[in-house]
Amino acid sequence: EPEVTQTPSHQVTQMGQEVILRCVPISNHLYFYWYRQILGQKVEFLVSFYNNEISEKSEIFDDQFSVERPDGSNFTLKIRSTKLEDSAMYFCASRGQGWNSPLHFGNGTRLTVT
Amino acid sequence: QKEVEQDPGPLSVPEGAIVSLNCTYSNSAFQYFMWYRQYSRKGPELLMYTYSSGNKEDGRFTAQVDKSSKYISLFIRDSQPSDSATYLCAMSAAPWLTSYDKVIFGPGTSLSVIP
Repeated sequence: EPEVTQTPSHQVTQMGQEVILRCVPISNHLYFYWYRQILGQKVEFLVSFYNNEISEKSEIFDDQFSVERPDGSNFTLKIRSTKLEDSAMYFCASRGQGWNSPLHFGNGTRLTVT
Repeated sequence: QKEVEQDPGPLSVPEGAIVSLNCTYSNSAFQYFMWYRQYSRKGPELLMYTYSSGNKEDGRFTAQVDKSSKYISLFIRDSQPSDSATYLCAMSAAPWLTSYDKVIFGPGTSLSVIP
């Protein structure tokens, strides 16, 4: 069964550094998402992306965050200057076309900011 | 009032029990409802999705939606130790012919099925 893959599985970085989290969505999917989950808390929406542009973003997704689909397969989340509170699991998700197409998630990247 | 609320648990049941997991929501625009299972340090895994009110059954799992009460449930029959996980309800407004909506998750219910 096709799946969403994310790399790396764990990223450790120092405060103030830039990080790029990578995702390969399911190949025929058109809508892409990033969610995060701080340890012990709920899954929170960050951003949705369709047709090479952001369709919606939450207040968490400030100017320090950006997303890109640099080629036909990858979808990346960049955090320009990481803060301690950015430490969380970051999940990429994708869905196909159609209103009843559900979200499929990757296994996440655990980001630790020290 | 939070947009999506869920019994936090943790819930502990003996193997073979029937489990009932529930969520309430406040946004009447939600029309599309999902249940995800999340094992520790893994991504949410889709279990079931439904549109509008009614029941949907898939093996040991039954999803129930009552839009008039803004209440959804997931029932697990003959629960197994492998069902031990956190269960997340999720929902979206899913406007017709667009996917620009965002999916909102409940905080999750932790379930342990004891052999």
